[in-house]
Amino acid sequence: NAGVMQNPRHLVRRRGQEARLRCSPMKGHSHVYWYRQLPEEGLKFMVYLQKENIIDESGMPKERFSAEFPKEGPSILRIQQVVRGDSAAYFCASSPTGKSDTIYFGEGSWLTVV
Amino acid sequence: QKEVEQNSGPLSVPEGAIASLNCTYSDRGSQSFFWYRQYSGKSPELIMFIYSNGDKEDGRFTAQLNKASQYVSLLIRDSQPSDSATYLCALPAGNNRKLIWGLGTSLAVNP
Repeated sequence: NAGVMQNPRHLVRRRGQEARLRCSPMKGHSHVYWYRQLPEEGLKFMVYLQKENIIDESGMPKERFSAEFPKEGPSILRIQQVVRGDSAAYFCASSPTGKSDTIYFGEGSWLTVV
Repeated sequence: QKEVEQNSGPLSVPEGAIASLNCTYSDRGSQSFFWYRQYSGKSPELIMFIYSNGDKEDGRFTAQLNKASQYVSLLIRDSQPSDSATYLCALPAGNNRKLIWGLGTSLAVNP
């Protein structure tokens, strides 16, 4: 059973470009979460999604950031017009329907903005 | 605003000893907690979820939740050098679907 799959693992973008990070949850998991970890800082919740629905986006910056989890395909975290401060590790996690005691993380996507 | 506090460490223990990691929280109504381990440059790995007061054991790991004192701890028995990592405590919020994280405690197990 494959785990949470994230790609790309490493991404370099110039300031002003767009970054797209993808996440496929574990098989049987319908809940997807995105977290960000800035260098030398703790993990911060960004957004919680189910298929075709954003459930909680209270941690998302108000501008430039968006997330989706379409009916078909992976969840996408999109960062427009990236700035140096967006450089961070972005982790996706998933959990199964009806169970909130098992939340598994993908290996992460490391974004570097130059 | 719910908060989770951890001593950043580093906590250094000899191989074979018991490592004790602690986490305090501000919200008296919090019911459950996660413990994760994170190696440098890697993603968090789930160690344990604890819901009720008392102890929960899984292999060499024991989690202890004390709601009256608002702390949760993780004991690692027979510590190994491979246990050297940062240990993160996380508090579920928002219908248990959003995790509030401590900054983690760095553990070094010395051979």
